[in-house]
Amino acid sequence: QVQLVESGGGLVKPGGSLRLSCAASGFTFSDYYMSWIRQAPGKGLEWVSYITSSGTTIYYADSVKGRFTISRDNAKNSLYLQMNSLRAEDTAVYFCTRDLSDTSGYLYGMDVWGQGTTVTVSS
Amino acid sequence: SYELSQPPSVSVSPLQTASITCSGDKLGDRYASWYQQKPGQSPVLVIYQDSKRPSGIPERFSGSSSGNTATLTISGTQAMDEADYYCQTWDSSIAVVFGGGTKLTVL
Repeated sequence: QVQLVESGGGLVKPGGSLRLSCAASGFTFSDYYMSWIRQAPGKGLEWVSYITSSGTTIYYADSVKGRFTISRDNAKNSLYLQMNSLRAEDTAVYFCTRDLSDTSGYLYGMDVWGQGTTVTVSS
Repeated sequence: SYELSQPPSVSVSPLQTASITCSGDKLGDRYASWYQQKPGQSPVLVIYQDSKRPSGIPERFSGSSSGNTATLTISGTQAMDEADYYCQTWDSSIAVVFGGGTKLTVL
């Protein structure tokens, strides 16, 4: 069945780095935009970044721009998030999502979510 | 920056109709999506493109949008619908934005 499985979360000190991975299965990964969404403890959803199906267009939230890098490997059905210069406010559960989009590039929803991986930034 | 506003909480009696609003500047010019999140679970898409339901979502969930407001309506609300609900939109100039979320309580 359609599935997204995140990994790579953990405890890291402020200023440190972490790389999250998302393994996709059950669908043609290369056909879909993909996103990372995060949720701080007890807080709402915050979009982090998305990447188009070919990887040619990428967007970042202002809060992570210049520190995080999204990428994908369509041959490996995998999505990644390289997180550098981590801060306490980056502490959250990070979800990988499959995105619905049309041929014009309009992104109109996230229809598949992973179970999330927890990132804790603390000294 | 673009913001979507939702009421922090909404209460509804079982089998009654619950309405959750989401407001943003010219939101009606963009598509809105809605997500349901129960405690300890990942969010689930319940409405996209303002009013479309993904397969597997019960018919009691519906959506509409006009002007600056999108609305999620749950008809015949059941206890299992108690959850947090988030609206979301996208635009090439703002990318992806989520509302702050609404806690739906079924009393």
